[in-house]
Amino acid sequence: AQSVTQPDIHITVSEGASLELRCNYSYGATPYLFWYVQSPGQGLQLLLKYFSGDTLVQGIKGFEAEFKRSQSSFNLRKPSVHWSDAAEYFCAVGPEYGNKLVFGAGTILRVKS
Amino acid sequence: DTEVTQTPKHLVMGMTNKKSLKCEQHMGHRAMYWYKQKAKKPPELMFVYSYEKLSINESVPSRFSPECPNSSLLNLHLHALQPEDSALYLCASSRTSGYTKETQYFGPGTRLLVL
Repeated sequence: AQSVTQPDIHITVSEGASLELRCNYSYGATPYLFWYVQSPGQGLQLLLKYFSGDTLVQGIKGFEAEFKRSQSSFNLRKPSVHWSDAAEYFCAVGPEYGNKLVFGAGTILRVKS
Repeated sequence: DTEVTQTPKHLVMGMTNKKSLKCEQHMGHRAMYWYKQKAKKPPELMFVYSYEKLSINESVPSRFSPECPNSSLLNLHLHALQPEDSALYLCASSRTSGYTKETQYFGPGTRLLVL
């Protein structure tokens, strides 16, 4: 069965510092992977996705993620965090066929000024 | 445009009430989803509609009744809910479902409180 692990429940970074949010997945075949962001009380906004091809994917708001098959990871990065990035971030994996996304538990990002 | 809209934004209902949540998308997507999200938890899939037919029901209690009247509209009818059903209800849509890798786009959600 598919699973997604986000090891960090909370992360606090200073504004302007770099950010890396970790995501590890367990899936037998080639997964497709997503990062979503959720501000308090809001829906999920798609940041970026990996389906195939280039393992470094660029997303919105200056985020990028790198797919590493050997490490079963899809970590999210941003070189310089802004206060408005404070939110909860969810990594999700989808199957080769079908539409049932499996979400990680989420990582809450706090940005300190 | 990747917009999914949901109404109402907030809903308070008693345990004997009947209410409905509404979701719309005009992206031509043929798959639509209902998720339930409790506080500090990830979304949990409830239902999937594909080409206006129910394709997945994740063993959701019958007090939740989904309906897909057309390809743009998805409703969730609520009846005799329990306080533990209080949550954020998210709607999502994708271009198709089942046979290809698809991206799901989410609406802003309806915050439901059951008293």
